[in-house]
Amino acid sequence: DIQMTQSPSTLSASVGDRVTITCRASQSVSSWLAWYQQKPGKAPKLLIYKASSLQSGVPSRFSGSGSGTDFTLTISSLQPDDFATYYCQQYTSYSTTFGQGTKVEV
Amino acid sequence: QVQLQESGPGLVKPPETLSLTCTVSGGSIGTYYWSWIRQPAGKGLEWIGRIYNSGTTNYNPSLKSRVTMSVDTSKKQFSLKLTSVTAADTAVYYCARDLHSSVGGLDVWGQGTTVTVSS
Repeated sequence: DIQMTQSPSTLSASVGDRVTITCRASQSVSSWLAWYQQKPGKAPKLLIYKASSLQSGVPSRFSGSGSGTDFTLTISSLQPDDFATYYCQQYTSYSTTFGQGTKVEV
Repeated sequence: QVQLQESGPGLVKPPETLSLTCTVSGGSIGTYYWSWIRQPAGKGLEWIGRIYNSGTTNYNPSLKSRVTMSVDTSKKQFSLKLTSVTAADTAVYYCARDLHSSVGGLDVWGQGTTVTVSS
């Protein structure tokens, strides 16, 4: 199985900050990577697919980059609604795995 | 727009079988893969497996021996069975539309259903 490692596990930030979350794969996943946002008690929401494509309806302050084994999710200017937990997911071949999550808190 | 709704017992006794169904509304069940994902309280997401409308399945290798998925296109439903459950299977279970055959990612999710395994 491909292992996904996110860093940091927890991130303290303020409204207006530029926030960067990284995700590293144990082997190349090409660009087959997605990012999700999850708020307490809610289902995850797809933000980014294919490493850098913005899902419809997602604000443009969210962006993704990377390929191979190293990926980044960036929030250009953190908004109050963005305090949540973020997960990366690789989807190569017939299986898929998630990172352990990064909690963005005040 | 497409909506998903999980249904099934909220309490399962060990070592019985956990059975859940996901109903698709507002769109077609065809031409997509459909996945199950679970999340223990306070923990991360674990993919369980996916099914295509033809019945083709892919399962998480760590759960493969206990998982069976099926689809009923006439009812626009797909189902999960997990056998020999233990307390470690206690989690919120989500169903989701899986764009595995195109751009990838899980773009539509159900609200999730909590399953507790306890005698």
